[in-house]
Amino acid sequence: DTAVSQTPKYLVTQMGNDKSIKCEQNLGHDTMYWYKQDSKKFLKIMFSYNNKELIINETVPNRFSPKSPDKAHLNLHINSLELGDSAVYFCASSQGYSGGTVTGELFFGEGSRLTVL
Amino acid sequence: SQQGEEDPQALSIQEGENATMNCSYKTSINNLQWYRQNSGRGLVHLILIRSNEREKHSGRLRVTLDTSKKSSSLLITASRAADTASYFCATDSYDKIIFGKGTRLHILP
Repeated sequence: DTAVSQTPKYLVTQMGNDKSIKCEQNLGHDTMYWYKQDSKKFLKIMFSYNNKELIINETVPNRFSPKSPDKAHLNLHINSLELGDSAVYFCASSQGYSGGTVTGELFFGEGSRLTVL
Repeated sequence: SQQGEEDPQALSIQEGENATMNCSYKTSINNLQWYRQNSGRGLVHLILIRSNEREKHSGRLRVTLDTSKKSSSLLITASRAADTASYFCATDSYDKIIFGKGTRLHILP
C-alpha cells in the first residue's frame, strides 16, 4: 500500500501548456510538501501545506499554484510551462509542526518527471 | 537558501569497505536527518539525530553530530552493492526541511 503516491510519473509537454501533478498520502499526516529536483539532483522546497493551509511559498513563480482540497491531497498546477520547469517534482508528507518546527521525517512519493519541449 | 552541504560529491568504494559522508550546515538546528535516493526513485528516510545527541546507530549506519562545528557524518559499514545511491543530509530551518546537494555513492563489485 503506497504511502505517498503521485501521478503522473512522467509528463512530456510543449512550452506554454498547462499541466497538473496530483499527490495523495494515506499516512494521516497533517503536512504535505512539493519539492523540485533539478538535473544536478539539488532538491529545493517549493510549497508546504499544513491542514490544507499554505505555510511555505518559497518564492516560486505564480505560474505554480498548489491546491489542497483536504489534508490527504496536495496537487500542483503549472501554467504556461517554460523550458526551465523541466525537473523531477516530489511530493512529501510529515506528521506536522510543533512549536513552528517540522515534526519527524519526510515521506516522499516516487517523483513526477516533467519534460518541457 | 541551501542549508546543508555534503562532502564528497561522489564516492566510489569496493564492496565490503566502509563509506563515510560528511555534511556541514550553516545555522542552528533542532535535528538533522539523512536520506537515501536510489536512481529514479523518491527519497527514503534513514536516520534522524537530535541536536542534543552526538551519535546514533541504526543497523550498519552510524551518524555523528557536532553542533559546535555544525557538521555531521554518515558512516555505512560493510558496504553492499545495494547501498549504491545518493545520500542527502537534511536540516530543519525554522518551518521547513532543507536538503544538501547529496553525495553519490557507488559500490564497486
